Amino acid sequence: DGGITQSPKYLFRKEGQNVTLSCEQNLNHDAMYWYRQDPGQGLRLIYYSQIVNDFQKGDIAEGYSVSREKKESFPLTVTSAQKNPTAFYLCASSSWTGSHSNQPQHFGDGTRLSIL
Amino acid sequence: DQQVKQNSPSLSVQEGRISILNCDYTNSMFDYFLWYKKYPAEGPTFLISISSIKDKNEDGRFTVFLNKSAKHLSLHIVPSQPGDSAVYFCAARFNSGGSNYKLTFGKGTLLTVNP
Repeated sequence: DGGITQSPKYLFRKEGQNVTLSCEQNLNHDAMYWYRQDPGQGLRLIYYSQIVNDFQKGDIAEGYSVSREKKESFPLTVTSAQKNPTAFYLCASSSWTGSHSNQPQHFGDGTRLSIL
Repeated sequence: DQQVKQNSPSLSVQEGRISILNCDYTNSMFDYFLWYKKYPAEGPTFLISISSIKDKNEDGRFTVFLNKSAKHLSLHIVPSQPGDSAVYFCAARFNSGGSNYKLTFGKGTLLTVNP
């Protein structure tokens, strides 16, 4: 079945460590996104990528980094510079056929990151 | 500044009745609106969308209405079922005319459908 796979589902990090969250999609989507959700909050965009080897900062990119070396993969690294990393992280993807393309984003099941 | 607002954190309805979830936005450059449904510890699931050139879109039990002059959209679920109990997010796309395809999400409304 086509879909978006995020792993692991739960992740623990020690203070001062970097950690990388995996996101893989087999939907052949061009665009991929990372969001963060905090309790009682909506989804906030961290980074997004519309094509391979290109990505842009979202609204809350500080303390995060990404890469897009393959179309199907968009890993997110939460660095030690991110002061409040505990959150639910969601990866999404969408097809891209132009700026007026009305294609919804489809989401993975998320990774919950906690600080030990 | 919150550009997409869902002012009701929660809504409770009886099974079989209509659920109406509301969403207001401030940016007149939004051109595409979406509703997502989310269960705890899962990713959001796309429900229904509407382009800014339309005022209504229907898909089975779900209908989205858009009032551009009021910058308001609503999701109607008829009839409501207990399985509809979830958090519903409203999202809007800002069309800058370039390659920008970012979505802005509201904070969500928790819908509880009582049997």
